[in-house]
Amino acid sequence: DQQVKQNSPSLSVQEGRISILNCDYTNSMFDYFLWYKKYPAEGPTFLISISSIKDKNEDGRFTVFLNKSAKHLSLHIVPSQPGDSAVYFCAAAYGNKLVFGAGTILRVKS
Amino acid sequence: DAGVIQSPRHEVTEMGQEVTLRCKPISGHNSLFWYRQTMMRGLELLIYFNNNVPIDDSGMPEDRFSAKMPNASFSTLKIQPSEPRDSAVYFCASWTGNSGANVLTFGAGSRLTVL
Repeated sequence: DQQVKQNSPSLSVQEGRISILNCDYTNSMFDYFLWYKKYPAEGPTFLISISSIKDKNEDGRFTVFLNKSAKHLSLHIVPSQPGDSAVYFCAAAYGNKLVFGAGTILRVKS
Repeated sequence: DAGVIQSPRHEVTEMGQEVTLRCKPISGHNSLFWYRQTMMRGLELLIYFNNNVPIDDSGMPEDRFSAKMPNASFSTLKIQPSEPRDSAVYFCASWTGNSGANVLTFGAGSRLTVL
């Protein structure tokens, strides 16, 4: 039973445009949400997070939106840059447990 | 800090052989996690330790998998006997254990290929 789902395996975006990556979760116990970025041959690295008491968190070009009623979160990257090309993992947490989605491959074309 | 250190980075072995993956967490981090990445399932949590004690091993696929954390600076994930379907990238991660900050730091991973 996948508690965190990223339904788009891949996304291709033109440089300078907005990238929107989506994530859905099923467990209402989750109270903290994170996005990780992963380059080939490297481990995932933390990108941005949001607590369940907020609906938006912004860090430079990256913004995460949380819709608790829909159990949905999204990551917006604007403007997208070729260096953003990577696998993006959505993760949800409660207590010490962090559950990841399957990942979305983002390709930013120049 | 050198970050989370994993070894080996790559392992190629034959079916039936024993495989041991190693991890050194960041000093001071109280929790350690083992994840497996596959194309189909993404990042799956296998097991995690808190203060060297296994807390949740429900993600360990079967009895062929075992994990230990004999001290705060070392953990192993062992597969015996290995099978081709175990081929994946195995990640170790650690964090401080403080609530409200579930930011794991991952190692670079160990890519396992079982022939």
